[in-house]
Amino acid sequence: QQQVKQSPQSLIVQKGGIPIINCAYENTAFDYFPWYQQFPGKGPALLIAIRPDVSEKKEGRFTISFNKSAKQFSLHIMDSQPGDSATYFCAAPTFSTGTASKLTFGTGTRLQVTL
Amino acid sequence: GAGVSQSPSNKVTEKGKDVELRCDPISGHTALYWYRQRLGQGLEFLIYFQGNSAPDKSGLPSDRFSAERTGESVSTLTIQRTQQEDSAVYLCASSDVGGANYGYTFGSGTRLTVV
Repeated sequence: QQQVKQSPQSLIVQKGGIPIINCAYENTAFDYFPWYQQFPGKGPALLIAIRPDVSEKKEGRFTISFNKSAKQFSLHIMDSQPGDSATYFCAAPTFSTGTASKLTFGTGTRLQVTL
Repeated sequence: GAGVSQSPSNKVTEKGKDVELRCDPISGHTALYWYRQRLGQGLEFLIYFQGNSAPDKSGLPSDRFSAERTGESVSTLTIQRTQQEDSAVYLCASSDVGGANYGYTFGSGTRLTVV
């Protein structure tokens, strides 16, 4: 069964720091790797995603780096802010029935950005 | 509706009782997913509905768990003879096209506590 290994489990950085969260996958239905952000009491929300035609994707202060040969991808948050404090989940697609697919999620990283 | 709606938001039940959790997906979304999130853990896949296709039930942990979906609308997740290990947040997500490479929209979840 597909596993997605995410690290670290928790992370504390000062405001302005650059937290990095890493994920590794075993097998994937295809190359599409999203990150989700979850605030307490809320469901996860899609933050940013990368497709196979690029090795890096940037949206605002959030960047995904992808290393296909190593089967790894990571999330960098530039100039982190206290409002970024949340739990972050990476995900990878796995086969479902027929040609369909579904996401398998990592175990999550709890990020705290202090003043 | 504007988002994925789940009810109830909180449910406390006695061990051995049956519970029903409800999910109203975004109107027009053909794909619907259920995930379970235990405290401090990742998102565990339960079941996936895609249009009129047979659902992917590969994540249901035991025969005490079942789910139904009427057409492309409401889904209910039923847990029979609840056990304490069933305590978790149950998250529902939908997408307008099935498959892992389309962003999921999650509801806020139902927090189930079995006492």
